[in-house]
Amino acid sequence: DIVMTQTPLSSPVTLGQPASISCRSSQSLVHSDGNTYLNWLQQRPGQPPRLLIYKISNRFSGVPDRFSGSGAGTDFTLKISRVEAEDVGVYYCMQATQLYTFGQGTKLEIK
Amino acid sequence: EVQLVESGGGLVQPGGSLRLSCAVSGLTFSRYWMSWVRQAPGKGLEWVANIKEDGSEKYYVDSVKGRFTISRDNAKNSLYLQMDSLRAEDTAIYYCARTTGDSGIDYWGQGTLVTVSP
Repeated sequence: DIVMTQTPLSSPVTLGQPASISCRSSQSLVHSDGNTYLNWLQQRPGQPPRLLIYKISNRFSGVPDRFSGSGAGTDFTLKISRVEAEDVGVYYCMQATQLYTFGQGTKLEIK
Repeated sequence: EVQLVESGGGLVQPGGSLRLSCAVSGLTFSRYWMSWVRQAPGKGLEWVANIKEDGSEKYYVDSVKGRFTISRDNAKNSLYLQMDSLRAEDTAIYYCARTTGDSGIDYWGQGTLVTVSP
């Protein structure tokens, strides 16, 4: 099974400042079809998860452009250019190259 | 608007059974793989099972193999999860979600809570 490891597990951020979350997989996420199936999801308090980014860097429908994803192979990053109050919640990376596994989650909170 | 609405959760004793349902609207249900994902109270996400568009392929996380069965009824735009031999560690919110080869697990329902306790 592919293990996903996120850092940090908690990230206090000042409103208007950038935030960054890292995710590392235990093996390469490059699929035999050449794609890398690494997604990022947001879960606001009391809400179901919401897809933000798919295949490393593609924003899903309705996702603001302050969210961006990057990376390759086994190392990936989610960046928020300027954190807003509505961004508070837990962020998960998820691999879909070999079935599906999630990272432990990173709690984003406002300082 | 895509909507996924789960139902069927509740309190069940260890060893008992429960059947979850998910009613889907706003998309052509029969064209998509579908998944169940769960989240134990205060914990992270765990993919449970998925099923192909026509129901011909099904996959499960190891911890539920032989106990849970995923199924679908395309005529009713509905997804199901039959859960047998339930254990305390199956206690979680269970989410129904659309699954695509491109964007992965993308649209999620609000979830239904399953509690396994004496």
